[in-house]
Order: sequence, then structure tokens, then C-alpha cells
Amino acid sequence: SQQGEEDPQALSIQEGENATMNCSYKTSINNLQWYRQNSGRGLVHLILIRSNEREKHSGRLRVTLDTSKKSSSLLITASRAADTASYFCATDASRVSSGSARQLTFGSGTQLTVLP
Amino acid sequence: GAGVSQSPRYKVAKRGQDVALRCDPISGHVSLFWYQQALGQGPEFLTYFQNEAQLDKSGLPSDRFFAERPEGSVSTLKIQRTQQEDSAVYLCASSSGLAGASAKNIQYFGAGTRLSVL
Repeated sequence: SQQGEEDPQALSIQEGENATMNCSYKTSINNLQWYRQNSGRGLVHLILIRSNEREKHSGRLRVTLDTSKKSSSLLITASRAADTASYFCATDASRVSSGSARQLTFGSGTQLTVLP
Repeated sequence: GAGVSQSPRYKVAKRGQDVALRCDPISGHVSLFWYQQALGQGPEFLTYFQNEAQLDKSGLPSDRFFAERPEGSVSTLKIQRTQQEDSAVYLCASSSGLAGASAKNIQYFGAGTRLSVL
């Protein structure tokens, strides 16, 4: 089953505007990741934030994490038409001590459309 | 190859037919995952391999689903007696599986196989 919900389900903005997507999850996590998926393609990793971090930046991406509220947000600044895609948050609940990679649990995604 | 490769990209099966989906992970990646993605939804976990060992198959929806990775590299997901509800995109992902507290578990995905069961 899905870990949680993302909102909005769909977002349409003009090029140059900022896009904010939110994600909620249900269980304790090791880290939270954001992935992007273009239509008919696989997912591409964008950014990872650990459970002990509150904010992370990478280029035009800014991610926040609030573990007390079990929520995260992804901000894309100065959006471009090429940013049009589906965006998914994914939680990793694997135990760090185990050292082994485990499955990610994905949200339902936000479909972002950036209009030129 | 440079990325995760899946074949076929598209598969149309008649209900009741058996299908086999192939995944070629990034060379040297220890961990391999299969996910199922329904239209308009996020991927849902099916099964996980560490090298040739299938460590978790809790996401497989029924005993008609079977996965293997006999030599710890290429993996095959087999679905027997396909049904219409099996129609979905099947995604394969691999990760380096590095151990230790610094392990990030970043996964690299293939483009998927779109299965349509008629």
C-alpha cells in the first residue's frame, strides 16, 4: 500500500513560477527521497533528506522535512517547461544498523505541468 | 550498460497466458527491486534481492508471481496465468547496497515494462 499522500494531485503553473508539492507519510523513516518520472519513463532520483535534517538544497530544488508532522515539501524554483513530469516522494524505513538496502514506499505523486 | 535495462518495453498478453519480464541492473549493484505501478499511482513494492538471495517477497500479490535472480545480476519476474488486474507497469530498480550508516539507498530505475492483459 502507499505510504501516504501527496498534494496537490495535479499542479499547473507558468514558466518562471515556483512549484511546491507536499508529501505526508505514516511511519518512522530513515530518510525521505524525491523522484521525478517523465511520461512512459522510469523514475529518476532528485534529492534525499535524512531524518535528522530539516532542509536540503540542490540547484533549483529545496526540500524540507518535519518528522513531528510526518511531512515533507519539495519546492522547485524558477520552473521551466522541461520540469513537466510526475513527482513522487518515497520513504526509506530501513534500519541503518542493518546496512542493507530496502524497498522504498512511494506516495501517489503530483503531476506538474509547466506552461511555456 | 550505463543504466538499468528492462525488456520487453511493452507486452500484451491474453488472459491466462504466462509472461516473463527481464531486468538487467547496473553492473555491480548488489540490491535489486521490483515494483508495480498502476496508472496514475506511485510504484508499489513487489520483491527485493540482495545478490542472488530473495530477502523480501512480501509485496508479491499472489502465488502467480515469481521472481528470480540466479546469478546475482539479471532478474526475471514471471507472472503465471495472467489476469486483467495484472495490467500495470513493472519497474525494476537497483542500488549499490553499500553497508553502513552512510548507506543512502538511492535507487536507479529502468524504464519499465508495460503489461496489458486482454
